[in-house]
Amino acid sequence: SQQGEEDPQALSIQEGENATMNCSYKTSINNLQWYRQNSGRGLVHLILIRSNEREKHSGRLRVTLDTSKKSSSLLITASRAADTASYFCATAASGTYKYIFGTGTRLKVLA
Amino acid sequence: SQTIHQWPATLVQPVGSPLSLECTVEGTSNPNLYWYRQAAGRGLQLLFYSVGIGQISSEVPQNLSASRPQDRQFILSSKKLLLSDSGFYLCAWSVQGGGQPQHFGDGTRLSIL
Repeated sequence: SQQGEEDPQALSIQEGENATMNCSYKTSINNLQWYRQNSGRGLVHLILIRSNEREKHSGRLRVTLDTSKKSSSLLITASRAADTASYFCATAASGTYKYIFGTGTRLKVLA
Repeated sequence: SQTIHQWPATLVQPVGSPLSLECTVEGTSNPNLYWYRQAAGRGLQLLFYSVGIGQISSEVPQNLSASRPQDRQFILSSKKLLLSDSGFYLCAWSVQGGGQPQHFGDGTRLSIL
């Protein structure tokens, strides 16, 4: 079964608004990663946050990690139509090479 | 810079036919390599991963197999396809070491008739 679970499953917002999506996982991790997937394409790595970090920024992206709650959130500020995509979190349990991807959040940004 | 190539982009195969999907990586050496399957509107299911030539770890019992004949080549195969093998197949690579960012190909959409 999938370790990561994102919510909401789908999100529709207006251009310029912020989008927040959440991810929960089950086991101890080294880091948590967020990826974006445009329809019919491969995934693109967005940001990695290590287990000893609580917050990380990259451009319009802000990721938080709460290891006590085994959860993470991805915030996209000032969204654009080009941000329309599915977003996935991925975790690798400590000491493994296996990545577990969540079920994804489908984001639609309306122009 | 590193690139990953996956082909074909789309494939339609009859039930019971064989399968061979190929993935190659350029611009890096000794990468970790991964095969995933993605059902429509779903997350990714890890099928196989490899940390070196000839080293394959299988994650899900199935009628698929993987091989790594060269350092930067990863092949997904089946002797006899099932209807349930339909899906979007993605190859990815990462540098050695656990928990590294993965870099994905553009995938192969496989339809079984």
